[in-house]
Amino acid sequence: AQSVTQLGSHVSVSEGALVLLRCNYSSSVPPYLFWYVQYPNQGLQLLLKYTSAATLVKGINGFEAEFKKSETSFHLTKPSAHMSDAAEYFCAVSEGNTDKLIFGTGTRLQVFP
Amino acid sequence: DARVTQTPRHKVTEMGQEVTMRCQPILGHNTVFWYRQTMMQGLELLAYFRNRAPLDDSGMPKDRFSAEMPDATLATLKIQPSEPRDSAVYFCASGLAFEAGEQFFGPGTRLTVL
Repeated sequence: AQSVTQLGSHVSVSEGALVLLRCNYSSSVPPYLFWYVQYPNQGLQLLLKYTSAATLVKGINGFEAEFKKSETSFHLTKPSAHMSDAAEYFCAVSEGNTDKLIFGTGTRLQVFP
Repeated sequence: DARVTQTPRHKVTEMGQEVTMRCQPILGHNTVFWYRQTMMQGLELLAYFRNRAPLDDSGMPKDRFSAEMPDATLATLKIQPSEPRDSAVYFCASGLAFEAGEQFFGPGTRLTVL
């Protein structure tokens, strides 16, 4: 069965610092992987997705993620954090041949001035 | 631009009352999902429809929750009777079947049961 594990429920960085949010997946088939962002009092919004094309995926707001099969990882990065990046970030994997997504438990990103 | 809409955005009710939440998926999308989000449990999938047919409602308490799609433009989630433990944010999401699983989320309904 597919699953994702997000390491670290809270991450704090200074404005301008590198953002690194970790996600490891478990899947018996080549996975589709996603990062979603949730700003306060809003629904989830797709940041980026991996669908077996390029292993380095670029998303919105300067975020990118790299699919590493050998490490079963799909970590999210941004070179320079902005105050507006403060939000909760969810990693997700598609479940087999269904349309369902399996979400991680989320990582709350705080950005300090 | 196309987006998922949910009504109401906020609902406060008393224990035992019926609650109905509505969702309008993005036009042309044929999958609809209902999620519940709480601090303790995180994001839980309650029900999932494809082409208006329920495919999975295993995450939903059957005795009090029901989900339907009367037509392609409306999905409903009902709780009867409501209980304080149902207090949560309920999200609807829609997508296209077999399109790499991407889901588009609505803004949510924040439910408080007193």
